[in-house]
Amino acid sequence: EAQVTQNPRYLITVTGKKLTVTCSQNMNHEYMSWYRQDPGLGLRQIYYSMNVEVTDKGDVPEGYKVSRKEKRNFPLILESPSPNQTSLYFCASSLSLAGFGEQFFGPGTRLTVL
Amino acid sequence: AQSVSQHNHHVILSEAASLELGCNYSYGGTVNLFWYVQYPGQHLQLLLKYFSGDPLVKGIKGFEAEFIKSKFSFNLRKPSVQWSDTAEYFCAVIASGGSYIPTFGRGTSLIVHP
Repeated sequence: EAQVTQNPRYLITVTGKKLTVTCSQNMNHEYMSWYRQDPGLGLRQIYYSMNVEVTDKGDVPEGYKVSRKEKRNFPLILESPSPNQTSLYFCASSLSLAGFGEQFFGPGTRLTVL
Repeated sequence: AQSVSQHNHHVILSEAASLELGCNYSYGGTVNLFWYVQYPGQHLQLLLKYFSGDPLVKGIKGFEAEFIKSKFSFNLRKPSVQWSDTAEYFCAVIASGGSYIPTFGRGTSLIVHP
């Protein structure tokens, strides 16, 4: 089954404790991205990746890191989480951007930083 | 950079009422347009998309959207809503020839009363 998976689905942590949210897709998609969803603000892009070893900042990259060592995986890293990073996070992938652009979303990770 | 406006933040309807959700974008060039739906507790799923051709696009579950280039709009419509349409709806734009990075609107929360 074609899908985007994220782990964990729920996470409660404390300020300053490094964490990683994993994202994996099995569709051989080139493009992957991370969004955070906050009430009243919709979806805001954190980082995106056009392909392996190619990443770039989205609209709200501060406090986040990503890596793309393999095509299927795109982990989101919070080196020192803070309470303002409490949010719902979605990973998404797309076959390619030009001419296509439909994104497939993961189930989401609800993160609470105390 | 392109932007997307969804003017209706919250919409409450009774079953069988007609629905129209507004989406306007700011970009003067060619665009790819999308509507995504997020049912309670679930991830975003594609409702419909417009790349080129007939400006009236039909999607899943009886939804349709009309691209009006002169108005920079891509409004979502459904003639008769059901309780199961209760969800959050997001409009998204990709500017062809630009960064190909999707921009999402803030979302419209739709509640349908049985």
